[in-house]
Amino acid sequence: GAVVSQHPSWVICKSGTSVKIECRSLDFQATTMFWYRQFPKQSLMLMATSNEGSKATYEQGVEKDKFLINHASLTLSTLTVTSAHPEDSSFYICSGEAGTSGYNEQFFGPGTRLTVL
Amino acid sequence: AQTVTQSQPEMSVQEAETVTLSCTYDTSENNYYLFWYKQPPSRQMILVIRQEAYKQQNATENRFSVNFQKAAKSFSLKISDSQLGDTAMYFCAFAGNNRKLIWGLGTSLAVNP
Repeated sequence: GAVVSQHPSWVICKSGTSVKIECRSLDFQATTMFWYRQFPKQSLMLMATSNEGSKATYEQGVEKDKFLINHASLTLSTLTVTSAHPEDSSFYICSGEAGTSGYNEQFFGPGTRLTVL
Repeated sequence: AQTVTQSQPEMSVQEAETVTLSCTYDTSENNYYLFWYKQPPSRQMILVIRQEAYKQQNATENRFSVNFQKAAKSFSLKISDSQLGDTAMYFCAFAGNNRKLIWGLGTSLAVNP
């Protein structure tokens, strides 16, 4: 399958600072990228859907001003957690999807563990 | 709204034996996709098997097979000849017309030597 990378894999930051997480599709063009959040021993929660060159669509209850998503190219999407607080500590996973019609398989990144002190 | 239910939070199986993980879903759509994903301790999400709803034949991938019952909205995963490397969280997921994945809560599978 296609490969998606995430950077960093693990980040620790102080409360009040901002953290940027990168998601890259390495061998395909991801017209759509998804950002998920996963709490320990829980399922994935979709945060937002981003399409290259347009604004992200956020799921209900997700603060768009806190979780800034940019999908500047067909191979890169970024998630910035602004003014992070301890409750933002979580595992963040991105996935990339190629194609725009019908259903196209999502390829997942390895995730980023964020710890806010 | 679509929902996915996995009623088995934890399961265990002896190495080389067979185990079945259950999944039910609810939807009013007629065309959709169902998936089983594996998430090992590394947390990397791996696609195990995929089923298109319009296909009556159950999908099979080596030791992994599904029992897809469209009328009953059931989609179980059978793992044959279980291996230690199969130890992981297994998530059932649904994708409908909006292409978003709806996830079950997962089943933690332990394969015992």
